[in-house]
Amino acid sequence: DAGVTQSPTHLIKTRGQQVTLRCSPISGHKSVSWYQQVLGQGPQFIFQYYEKEERGRGNFPDRFSARQFPNYSSELNVNALLLGDSALYLCASSLASGHNSPLHFGNGTRLTVT
Amino acid sequence: RKEVEQDPGPFNVPEGATVAFNCTYSNSASQSFFWYRQDCRKEPKLLMSVYSSGNEDGRFTAQLNRASQYISLLIRDSKLSDSATYLCVVNPARGTSYGKLTFGQGTILTVHP
Repeated sequence: DAGVTQSPTHLIKTRGQQVTLRCSPISGHKSVSWYQQVLGQGPQFIFQYYEKEERGRGNFPDRFSARQFPNYSSELNVNALLLGDSALYLCASSLASGHNSPLHFGNGTRLTVT
Repeated sequence: RKEVEQDPGPFNVPEGATVAFNCTYSNSASQSFFWYRQDCRKEPKLLMSVYSSGNEDGRFTAQLNRASQYISLLIRDSKLSDSATYLCVVNPARGTSYGKLTFGQGTILTVHP
């Protein structure tokens, strides 16, 4: 079975541009979460979607937005990119949104903003 | 104060050594606790959940002290393959979606021959 897949794997953008990152959850998983991991730090929660509804939002500016599609895949959009947005963006899926559903992470998208 | 605090290390230990990592969390209402492992330039992977009664998985033992808001991970008989970053992870208060996990900074472990 395929795990969580993310695309692209690497991306280079310039300041002010916009970026869209994509995530396909494990088949049957209805919950998708997005995390940002800056070098040397642990992942930071950005969004969670369950059954196409936003269930949680971390402390990120409105430049960050996301959505979940009927097939449970998800996109993360970041507008007006800043140098500080350079990070590894991780998508994780779980079967449900309850605390007994382990998170499975994808390989991540490494975004570099120049 | 950070929600989850870990000593970033690095911990450099010889093969066969026993090493312990500690972690503290600030939200006393936190419900679930985990240790994740992250290899260099890879995604985090669940190592083990942490229960109040303590739990063991092979060479790994996790402990939770709710009164002190403290989590620990003990690795016995370290292997070269244990070299990684170990992330202490907390699921916040009841009613918060599971997908919203709070990660510590991570503790870097290097096991050398």
